[in-house]
Amino acid sequence: DIQMTQSPSSVSASVGDRVTITCRASQGISSWLAWYQQKPGKAPKLLIYAASSLQSGVPSRFSGSGSGTDFTLTISSLQPEDFATYYCQQANSFPFLTFGGGTKVEIK
Amino acid sequence: EVQLVESGGGLVQPGGSLRLSCAASGFTVSSNYMSWVRQAPGKGLEWVSVIYSGGSTYYADSVKGRFTISRDNSKNTLYLQMNSLRAEDTAVYYCARDLRVDTAMGHYYYGMDVWGQGTTVTVSS
Repeated sequence: DIQMTQSPSSVSASVGDRVTITCRASQGISSWLAWYQQKPGKAPKLLIYAASSLQSGVPSRFSGSGSGTDFTLTISSLQPEDFATYYCQQANSFPFLTFGGGTKVEIK
Repeated sequence: EVQLVESGGGLVQPGGSLRLSCAASGFTVSSNYMSWVRQAPGKGLEWVSVIYSGGSTYYADSVKGRFTISRDNSKNTLYLQMNSLRAEDTAVYYCARDLRVDTAMGHYYYGMDVWGQGTTVTVSS
């Protein structure tokens, strides 16, 4: 089974800050990685797919990079609506999918 | 408008059964890959099951043999039949449109782009 490890598990940041979240796969997953944002009590929202492709309608301050085992999600300038929990998800081990443990972005 | 609406959650005793429904609008369930994802209280996301447009089904090891994913094309609705429920199945269950292509030529994944609002399943005596 492919394990996905996110770091940090939480981060405190201020509006306007640049925030970077890391996701590491236990084995190579090419670029088959997606990122989701989840706010309390709400369903997840797709942000990035194929490691670096921005989902339609998602602000350009969100970006993804990486391939193989190491991936990052970057928020270039944190906005008030970005405070949420972020999850990575691998899709290399078709048909089975695995999520990372999540990273909570909190207000500093 | 593209939308998914889940229903069927509730309180059930250990060993009991429950069927979740996920009604789609704005797109055709049978033409898409559809997944169920769950989230235990205070925990992260866990993929549960997928049904391919061609009808193939797959399950996470944690639910294999106990859960069954299916769809009713005439109702444009996805289902998750859950049997032999355990306390550890307690979670919010989400259905989602799963943008993947899985063929003999290779597979491609574009994420889960449409999600329902979730339905809560509590397994407790």
